[in-house]
Amino acid sequence: IAGITQAPTSQILAAGRRMTLRCTQDMRHNAMYWYRQDLGLGLRLIHYSNTAGTTGKGEVPDGYSVSRANTDDFPLTLASAVPSQTSVYFCASSDTGDSNQPQHFGDGTRLSIL
Amino acid sequence: GQNIDQPTEMTATEGAIVQINCTYQTSGFNGLFWYQQHAGEAPTFLSYNVLDGLEEKGRFSSFLSRSKGYSYLLLKELQMKDSASYLCAVADSNYQLIWGAGTKLIIKP
Repeated sequence: IAGITQAPTSQILAAGRRMTLRCTQDMRHNAMYWYRQDLGLGLRLIHYSNTAGTTGKGEVPDGYSVSRANTDDFPLTLASAVPSQTSVYFCASSDTGDSNQPQHFGDGTRLSIL
Repeated sequence: GQNIDQPTEMTATEGAIVQINCTYQTSGFNGLFWYQQHAGEAPTFLSYNVLDGLEEKGRFSSFLSRSKGYSYLLLKELQMKDSASYLCAVADSNYQLIWGAGTKLIIKP
């Protein structure tokens, strides 16, 4: 079934540890996104990529890095996790970076930093 | 700054009609999206409006007024499975989506 796969589904992590959240899509979408979703707040964009080889910063990029080596994969790395990064992380993709293209979401990664 | 406002929670009865409002203030406007998100699941796309007026899609309709910075999602013939959060998002001048916090809709039998 075509879509977006995120891994892990959930993770408990000690503060200060490095963590990479994986995201893979098989829809051949050009644009990919990482969001975090916190209770009472809207989805907030962390980083995005409009095409393989390019990335950009979203609203809340500090403490996170991404890479886009190919079309399908868009990993998100927390270099040194802090408790404020406890959140649900969603990866999404769209056909292009144009605004009229709906974004398709993965099932999310629930991350707890202790 | 950029801001999307939606009611936090609404309650409606099975079989009835409910209207979920969204007002926005953004730097530029390149369309408005509505998504549905069931608890513990991913958001799924419902509708897109870029021109003023009503877009109808089955039991769901979405309305946009750009001059008023206002949209609503109308759900008819409510079913229990419609219990979910409904997210309003606006594409700004950079084509990035600015998201509201979502409206949790509770359907009672």
